Amino acid sequence: SQTIHQWPATLVQPVGSPLSLECTVEGTSNPNLYWYRQAAGRGLQLLFYSVGIGQISSEVPQNLSASRPQDRQFILSSKKLLLSDSGFYLCALRRSQDIQYFGAGTRLSVL
Amino acid sequence: GQQLNQSPQSMFIQEGEDVSMNCTSSSIFNTWLWYKQDPGEGPVLLIALYKAGELTSNGRLTAQFGITRKDSFLNISASIPSDVGIYFCAGHVNRKLIWGLGTSLAVNP
Repeated sequence: SQTIHQWPATLVQPVGSPLSLECTVEGTSNPNLYWYRQAAGRGLQLLFYSVGIGQISSEVPQNLSASRPQDRQFILSSKKLLLSDSGFYLCALRRSQDIQYFGAGTRLSVL
Repeated sequence: GQQLNQSPQSMFIQEGEDVSMNCTSSSIFNTWLWYKQDPGEGPVLLIALYKAGELTSNGRLTAQFGITRKDSFLNISASIPSDVGIYFCAGHVNRKLIWGLGTSLAVNP
């Protein structure tokens, strides 16, 4: 079965600091991977998705970037965090029949 | 970005009551999905719908794919306290999911 690992579960960072969130998957090859942000427990905003190594599609212009250095690794980064970057970040994996499965998420608080 | 119209935004019901929520769109989708999210966790898939008119059940949950392909509903029968959470609808297009804003469900024991 496929597994999605996200870490850390919780992160508190000062404004202006860098960010790196990692998502790794197991049990599949060449997956479509997604990064979402969720504010205040409502509404999932698609940030980036990737169909393969080095292939990143950005959905929303912002302070964040994504990379896919390996087939099963998807990284979300920022050089300088803003207060507005706070939220719940979710990594998802697309399986067959259009279904996306989610990791446990990372709660980011920028102070 | 594109979003689905999901209603109601929130519901507060008594344990044992039935619940109904729906999503509508101006666009046609070939796949409708319903997810539930518990606090602090990622959304979990409840039901997937692939054919217009399709009616699918998962225990006390029933969902239907509208004939026009522009809407879907989710019903929960005989609600219990563990049904508390946020329910999301999503439609699939071009490798991406378009999401509703969620229905927050509270159940009073």
